[in-house]
Amino acid sequence: SAVISQKPSRDICQRGTSLTIQCQVDSQVTMMFWYRQQPGQSLTLIATANQGSEATYESGFVIDKFPISRPNLTFSTLTVSNMSPEDSSIYLCSVGLGGGNTIYFGEGSWLTVV
Amino acid sequence: AQTVTQSQPEMSVQEAETVTLSCTYDTSENNYYLFWYKQPPSRQMILVIRQEAYKQQNATENRFSVNFQKAAKSFSLKISDSQLGDTAMYFCAFMKHGVNSGYALNFGKGTSLLVTP
Repeated sequence: SAVISQKPSRDICQRGTSLTIQCQVDSQVTMMFWYRQQPGQSLTLIATANQGSEATYESGFVIDKFPISRPNLTFSTLTVSNMSPEDSSIYLCSVGLGGGNTIYFGEGSWLTVV
Repeated sequence: AQTVTQSQPEMSVQEAETVTLSCTYDTSENNYYLFWYKQPPSRQMILVIRQEAYKQQNATENRFSVNFQKAAKSFSLKISDSQLGDTAMYFCAFMKHGVNSGYALNFGKGTSLLVTP
Protein backbone atom coordinates (compact mmCIF):
# COMPACT_ATOMS: atom_id res chain seq x y z
CA SER A 1 0.00 0.00 0.00
CA ALA A 2 0.99 3.64 -0.19
CA VAL A 3 0.27 6.69 1.90
CA ILE A 4 0.22 10.01 0.08
CA SER A 5 0.39 13.29 1.95
CA GLN A 6 -0.53 16.55 0.27
CA LYS A 7 0.08 20.06 1.53
CA PRO A 8 -1.71 22.37 1.85
CA SER A 9 -5.04 20.65 2.29
CA ARG A 10 -6.86 23.92 1.73
CA ASP A 11 -5.94 27.51 0.97
CA ILE A 12 -7.45 30.79 -0.10
CA CYS A 13 -5.24 32.62 -2.57
CA GLN A 14 -5.17 36.10 -3.98
CA ARG A 15 -5.57 36.62 -7.70
CA GLY A 16 -2.23 36.92 -9.47
CA THR A 17 -0.24 34.98 -6.88
CA SER A 18 1.28 31.51 -7.15
CA LEU A 19 0.98 28.54 -4.84
CA THR A 20 3.02 25.37 -4.64
CA ILE A 21 1.39 22.09 -3.66
CA GLN A 22 3.51 19.32 -2.23
CA CYS A 23 2.96 15.60 -2.59
CA GLN A 24 4.90 13.12 -0.46
CA VAL A 25 4.65 9.35 -0.92
CA ASP A 26 5.85 6.76 1.56
CA SER A 27 7.08 4.47 -1.25
CA GLN A 28 9.41 5.00 -4.17
CA VAL A 29 7.47 5.38 -7.39
CA THR A 30 8.56 6.06 -10.94
CA MET A 31 5.57 8.10 -12.04
CA MET A 32 3.45 10.59 -10.17
CA PHE A 33 0.33 12.16 -11.60
CA TRP A 34 -1.34 15.48 -10.97
CA TYR A 35 -5.09 15.96 -11.51
CA ARG A 36 -7.39 18.95 -11.31
CA GLN A 37 -11.01 18.74 -10.22
CA GLN A 38 -12.94 21.92 -10.86
CA PRO A 39 -16.08 22.54 -8.78
CA GLY A 40 -18.75 19.98 -9.58
CA GLN A 41 -16.60 18.37 -12.26
CA SER A 42 -14.65 15.20 -12.78
CA LEU A 43 -10.90 14.75 -12.50
CA THR A 44 -8.72 15.85 -15.37
CA LEU A 45 -5.11 14.83 -15.74
CA ILE A 46 -2.74 17.80 -15.74
CA ALA A 47 0.61 16.06 -16.16
CA THR A 48 2.74 13.03 -15.51
CA ALA A 49 5.92 13.57 -13.50
CA ASN A 50 8.84 11.22 -13.87
CA GLN A 51 11.85 11.49 -11.64
CA GLY A 52 14.82 12.96 -13.46
CA SER A 53 12.97 14.26 -16.49
CA GLU A 54 10.57 17.01 -17.42
CA ALA A 55 6.90 16.46 -16.78
CA THR A 56 4.62 15.48 -19.64
CA TYR A 57 1.60 17.78 -19.90
CA GLU A 58 -1.83 16.96 -21.21
CA SER A 59 -3.56 19.03 -23.83
CA GLY A 60 -4.73 22.31 -22.37
CA PHE A 61 -2.10 22.48 -19.65
CA VAL A 62 1.26 24.21 -20.03
CA ILE A 63 4.45 24.25 -18.03
CA ASP A 64 4.46 28.02 -17.52
CA LYS A 65 1.11 27.83 -15.75
CA PHE A 66 1.65 24.55 -13.90
CA PRO A 67 5.38 23.97 -13.35
CA ILE A 68 6.14 20.62 -11.75
CA SER A 69 9.20 19.41 -9.91
CA ARG A 70 10.15 15.80 -9.23
CA PRO A 71 13.41 15.85 -7.34
CA ASN A 72 13.30 12.26 -6.12
CA LEU A 73 11.22 9.08 -6.18
CA THR A 74 8.98 10.01 -3.26
CA PHE A 75 8.22 13.69 -3.75
CA SER A 76 6.73 16.09 -6.27
CA THR A 77 5.41 19.63 -6.32
CA LEU A 78 2.86 21.34 -8.53
CA THR A 79 2.82 25.12 -8.72
CA VAL A 80 -0.27 26.98 -9.88
CA SER A 81 1.07 30.25 -11.26
CA ASN A 82 -0.54 33.65 -11.66
CA MET A 83 -3.80 32.35 -10.30
CA SER A 84 -7.23 33.49 -11.41
CA PRO A 85 -10.64 32.48 -10.03
CA GLU A 86 -10.85 29.86 -12.79
CA ASP A 87 -8.01 28.02 -11.03
CA SER A 88 -10.19 27.42 -7.99
CA SER A 89 -10.15 23.63 -7.85
CA ILE A 90 -9.08 20.58 -5.96
CA TYR A 91 -5.66 19.43 -7.04
CA LEU A 92 -4.81 15.78 -6.42
CA CYS A 93 -1.66 13.77 -6.81
CA SER A 94 -1.72 10.07 -7.58
CA VAL A 95 0.64 7.13 -7.85
CA GLY A 96 0.32 3.57 -9.07
CA LEU A 97 1.79 0.47 -7.51
CA GLY A 98 1.70 -3.21 -8.21
CA GLY A 99 1.72 -3.09 -11.98
CA GLY A 100 -1.39 -0.99 -12.10
CA ASN A 101 -3.34 -3.11 -9.68
CA THR A 102 -3.80 -0.25 -7.28
CA ILE A 103 -3.89 3.48 -7.79
CA TYR A 104 -3.55 5.74 -4.78
CA PHE A 105 -4.68 9.32 -4.41
CA GLY A 106 -3.66 12.02 -2.01
CA GLU A 107 -6.35 13.77 -0.02
CA GLY A 108 -6.31 16.71 -2.37
CA SER A 109 -5.48 20.38 -2.05
CA TRP A 110 -8.53 22.62 -2.22
CA LEU A 111 -7.62 26.03 -3.61
CA THR A 112 -9.95 28.99 -3.74
CA VAL A 113 -8.76 32.04 -5.66
CA VAL A 114 -10.33 35.36 -4.72
CA ALA B 1 -7.90 8.85 -26.75
CA GLN B 2 -10.14 6.94 -24.42
CA THR B 3 -13.48 8.39 -23.39
CA VAL B 4 -15.57 7.34 -20.43
CA THR B 5 -19.28 8.13 -20.31
CA GLN B 6 -21.52 8.08 -17.28
CA SER B 7 -25.02 8.87 -18.46
CA GLN B 8 -26.64 9.27 -15.04
CA PRO B 9 -25.67 12.57 -13.38
CA GLU B 10 -27.76 11.82 -10.29
CA MET B 11 -29.39 8.77 -8.76
CA SER B 12 -31.28 8.02 -5.61
CA VAL B 13 -31.93 4.75 -3.80
CA GLN B 14 -33.54 3.78 -0.54
CA GLU B 15 -31.53 2.21 2.18
CA ALA B 16 -31.19 -1.60 1.82
CA GLU B 17 -32.19 -1.47 -1.83
CA THR B 18 -30.03 -2.21 -4.87
CA VAL B 19 -28.85 0.38 -7.37
CA THR B 20 -26.88 0.11 -10.61
CA LEU B 21 -24.68 2.87 -11.98
CA SER B 22 -23.85 2.74 -15.66
CA CYS B 23 -20.58 3.41 -17.45
CA THR B 24 -19.54 2.99 -21.05
CA TYR B 25 -16.16 3.64 -22.59
CA ASP B 26 -14.53 3.88 -25.95
CA THR B 27 -11.10 2.48 -26.66
CA SER B 28 -9.10 0.66 -29.29
CA GLU B 29 -6.94 -0.98 -26.64
CA ASN B 30 -7.31 -4.67 -25.86
CA ASN B 31 -5.65 -4.68 -22.46
CA TYR B 32 -6.76 -2.20 -19.87
CA TYR B 33 -8.14 -1.71 -16.39
CA LEU B 34 -11.47 -0.27 -15.32
CA PHE B 35 -12.20 1.23 -11.95
CA TRP B 36 -15.02 2.64 -9.88
CA TYR B 37 -14.04 5.32 -7.39
CA LYS B 38 -16.16 6.82 -4.64
CA GLN B 39 -15.72 10.43 -3.59
CA PRO B 40 -17.58 11.42 -0.42
CA PRO B 41 -17.89 15.04 0.72
CA SER B 42 -14.41 14.76 2.24
CA ARG B 43 -13.16 14.70 -1.40
CA GLN B 44 -10.95 11.68 -0.75
CA MET B 45 -10.87 9.35 -3.75
CA ILE B 46 -11.67 5.84 -2.55
CA LEU B 47 -11.25 2.80 -4.78
CA VAL B 48 -14.45 0.77 -4.81
CA ILE B 49 -13.66 -1.96 -7.31
CA ARG B 50 -11.27 -2.79 -10.13
CA GLN B 51 -11.60 -4.98 -13.23
CA GLU B 52 -8.86 -6.22 -15.55
CA ALA B 53 -10.11 -6.39 -19.12
CA TYR B 54 -8.53 -9.77 -19.78
CA LYS B 55 -10.56 -11.35 -16.98
CA GLN B 56 -13.99 -12.53 -18.02
CA GLN B 57 -15.18 -12.96 -14.46
CA ASN B 58 -16.88 -9.92 -13.03
CA ALA B 59 -15.15 -8.39 -10.01
CA THR B 60 -16.91 -8.40 -6.65
CA GLU B 61 -16.08 -6.60 -3.40
CA ASN B 62 -18.58 -7.32 -0.65
CA ARG B 63 -21.74 -5.35 -1.55
CA PHE B 64 -20.22 -3.99 -4.74
CA SER B 65 -20.09 -5.89 -8.01
CA VAL B 66 -19.64 -5.03 -11.65
CA ASN B 67 -21.18 -6.18 -14.89
CA PHE B 68 -18.31 -6.01 -17.37
CA GLN B 69 -19.31 -6.44 -20.99
CA LYS B 70 -16.10 -6.07 -22.99
CA ALA B 71 -17.65 -6.33 -26.44
CA ALA B 72 -20.24 -3.72 -25.56
CA LYS B 73 -17.61 -1.62 -23.72
CA SER B 74 -19.85 -1.41 -20.72
CA PHE B 75 -18.87 -1.45 -17.04
CA SER B 76 -21.76 -0.97 -14.63
CA LEU B 77 -21.54 -0.94 -10.84
CA LYS B 78 -24.16 -2.64 -8.70
CA ILE B 79 -24.46 -1.68 -5.06
CA SER B 80 -26.48 -4.13 -3.01
CA ASP B 81 -28.03 -3.46 0.38
CA SER B 82 -27.35 0.26 0.01
CA GLN B 83 -26.23 2.08 3.14
CA LEU B 84 -26.40 5.75 4.08
CA GLY B 85 -22.60 5.84 3.95
CA ASP B 86 -22.72 4.98 0.27
CA THR B 87 -23.92 8.51 -0.45
CA ALA B 88 -21.16 10.00 -2.60
CA MET B 89 -20.05 10.87 -6.10
CA TYR B 90 -19.06 7.78 -8.07
CA PHE B 91 -16.56 7.96 -10.89
CA CYS B 92 -15.89 5.34 -13.52
CA ALA B 93 -12.30 5.37 -14.78
CA PHE B 94 -10.21 3.74 -17.52
CA MET B 95 -6.51 2.98 -17.53
CA LYS B 96 -4.41 1.56 -20.32
CA HIS B 97 -2.36 -1.48 -19.44
CA GLY B 98 1.37 -1.47 -19.98
CA VAL B 99 4.61 -0.48 -18.33
CA ASN B 100 5.08 2.57 -20.49
CA SER B 101 1.51 3.72 -20.04
CA GLY B 102 1.95 4.42 -16.38
CA TYR B 103 -1.08 4.77 -14.20
CA ALA B 104 -2.93 7.74 -15.64
CA LEU B 105 -6.71 7.47 -15.42
CA ASN B 106 -9.42 8.79 -17.70
CA PHE B 107 -12.50 9.59 -15.63
CA GLY B 108 -16.16 9.84 -16.48
CA LYS B 109 -18.15 12.88 -15.34
CA GLY B 110 -19.46 11.06 -12.30
CA THR B 111 -22.80 10.01 -10.86
CA SER B 112 -24.03 11.55 -7.65
CA LEU B 113 -25.69 8.85 -5.56
CA LEU B 114 -28.00 9.69 -2.68
CA VAL B 115 -29.07 6.94 -0.31
CA THR B 116 -32.22 7.85 1.60
CA PRO B 117 -33.55 6.35 4.83
